[in-house]
Amino acid sequence: SAVISQKPSRDICQRGTSLTIQCQVDSQVTMMFWYRQQPGQSLTLIATANQGSEATYESGFVIDKFPISRPNLTFSTLTVSNMSPEDSSIYLCSVEDRLQRGTGTQYFGPGTRLLVL
Amino acid sequence: AQSVSQHNHHVILSEAASLELGCNYSYGGTVNLFWYVQYPGQHLQLLLKYFSGDPLVKGIKGFEAEFIKSKFSFNLRKPSVQWSDTAEYFCAVGSGNTGKLIFGQGTTLQVKP
Repeated sequence: SAVISQKPSRDICQRGTSLTIQCQVDSQVTMMFWYRQQPGQSLTLIATANQGSEATYESGFVIDKFPISRPNLTFSTLTVSNMSPEDSSIYLCSVEDRLQRGTGTQYFGPGTRLLVL
Repeated sequence: AQSVSQHNHHVILSEAASLELGCNYSYGGTVNLFWYVQYPGQHLQLLLKYFSGDPLVKGIKGFEAEFIKSKFSFNLRKPSVQWSDTAEYFCAVGSGNTGKLIFGQGTTLQVKP
């Protein structure tokens, strides 16, 4: 397994501003994922972040709105840009199990709870 | 497009009752199937998974799930629930060999003591 931490754990932001969420893993991993969980809804994958390459975004998510960095094998950031109240969600990062690559086995961080006013 | 459907949004049971949470998926190829659980105030964590072999898989805390290929289902079961099983349960499908997960809507289970 992997231990994942996220910062901040929660934040309240004004519309039009941006917030960068950090995700730190206690071991080196190839694939990291960013999810959004809107109130009362399930997890939706935003993008896959591999070290050394551009993030791959899912349909409905774009780099200008959710820029991602992956500078090394233990760290990633997700920025929520030009926020609106519709961006109020929990944002989670996850990492793939190194021994079960490609299977979908993932470990999740505690999430960042974002409220946009 | 692949999708995962969980039948129940909110389930309320008394302790010692039996539990079955439904999960159906749509995907034509080989699938990896998962149940994740999120206890109040805790991280999302893996409950059990199925890749291949015996379609009846056992997970932590007495949970099990059965993969029925003909029905595209992966239902979660527990013969006798406890108050500590109160949590949100998510069914998920691994998308091909991409490592990505597609989640169902989630089921909130409330167990009354």
